[in-house]
This record gives sequence, structure tokens and C-alpha cells, in this order.
Amino acid sequence: DAKTTQPPSMDCAEGRAANLPCNHSTISGNEYVYWYRQIHSQGPQYIIHGLKNNETNEMASLIITEDRKSSTLILPHATLRDTAVYYCIVRVAGSSNTGKLIFGQGTTLQVKP
Amino acid sequence: SQTIHQWPATLVQPVGSPLSLECTVEGTSNPNLYWYRQAAGRGLQLLFYSVGIGQISSEVPQNLSASRPQDRQFILSSKKLLLSDSGFYLCAGRLKAYEKLFFGSGTQLSVL
Repeated sequence: DAKTTQPPSMDCAEGRAANLPCNHSTISGNEYVYWYRQIHSQGPQYIIHGLKNNETNEMASLIITEDRKSSTLILPHATLRDTAVYYCIVRVAGSSNTGKLIFGQGTTLQVKP
Repeated sequence: SQTIHQWPATLVQPVGSPLSLECTVEGTSNPNLYWYRQAAGRGLQLLFYSVGIGQISSEVPQNLSASRPQDRQFILSSKKLLLSDSGFYLCAGRLKAYEKLFFGSGTQLSVL
């Protein structure tokens, strides 16, 4: 199973871009990278996912390196409401196509005014 | 759109009492379903997952069990709660392997 490594915490100034890194050096070719975030005492919220191409949606951009061993989630203009724990997850490739996701410790992003 | 309903939002139970948390799904059929637990200040731990009615896989040995009596119903149970069962329990669903997870709002369980 591919593991991910994220910094435990980061700060970002309000209105600036937040760049959250994730290492997944053992990722295999058919595994996707998913990003979720969790605001205190709520269920996690899906942000974005990708395989090898960069992705962008209304919430964020996902930049995946060419060797796929790392990725960066970019929140282009962070707001105070973006303060949360951000999880980088690699989909576990297993039999029965279960699609289960294993969450690590994540990065606590603190957006400051 | 797909929605997960979980209840209750908060639950306080004495040690040794039974537990039943229910999760129901709307807006889709035949989802994969998951139970996660989050201890205070910790990440999410996958407890159980189910790919269909009556099919349950356990991820970690524990005091809890899960059942899926209907396609869109997933139940987390215990016969006798332990203090260590306290935590934030989340039910999640997935339409197919490469789709995103959608989560319920969670149940905060305190075992006293």
C-alpha cells in the first residue's frame, strides 16, 4: 500500500496562496492521489483527485510531479474558512475493487488574518 | 446527489452498555460503505468496509462489529462498550472505486 507523508502543520496569510505538499514515493501506476480536508468535528470534504495530469476545480489545483512521487495542493487565495486538516491519500489498490482510502495524520493548515 | 445520513450527532453511553449507530444512504444504489473512527486529535482510522449486502470486512481487531442488512444501510454495533471506544465515528460511501468518498456528519461518542 502506498503511504503518504505530509508536514504536520503549516501557516498561510489570508489572501495568499496555500501550497500543501505531499510525498508518495511508493505510489503505483494505477493509484490516484486524493485530497480531502476536515474542519473540526465535521466529516471530511472532498477537494480534488488526480492520476498524473495536473487538475483544477473550483476549490483548488493539484500539481503532480512527472515521476508521481509527490504532489502539491494549491489553494489560490486562502481564506480563514480554509483553516482545516488537509489529508493527502493514495487509493489502496487491492482485490475486489474496494476503493478504500487510508487517511494519515494530514497537515493542519492555519490561515491567519 | 449522494447523501449520507448519520444519527445521533452526539451520544453518551456508560461502559458496558450496547451500541448501535446507523448510517443510511440516499441518492445512489450499491455503494461501497465505510465506517471510520477518529480519536481526539488524531487522524481517521478505517474500521470496516462493505462492498454489498451482508459483506463486511474488518480492518482492525476491536470491540465493534458492523452489518449491512440492506443496500443503503450500514450499522456499527457493540455488545459492551469500552472507554477506548470513545471517539468521532464517520460513515462514508463511494459509488465506485475511482470516485470520491462522501461522508456523513458524524457521531461523537463518549463512553463514561
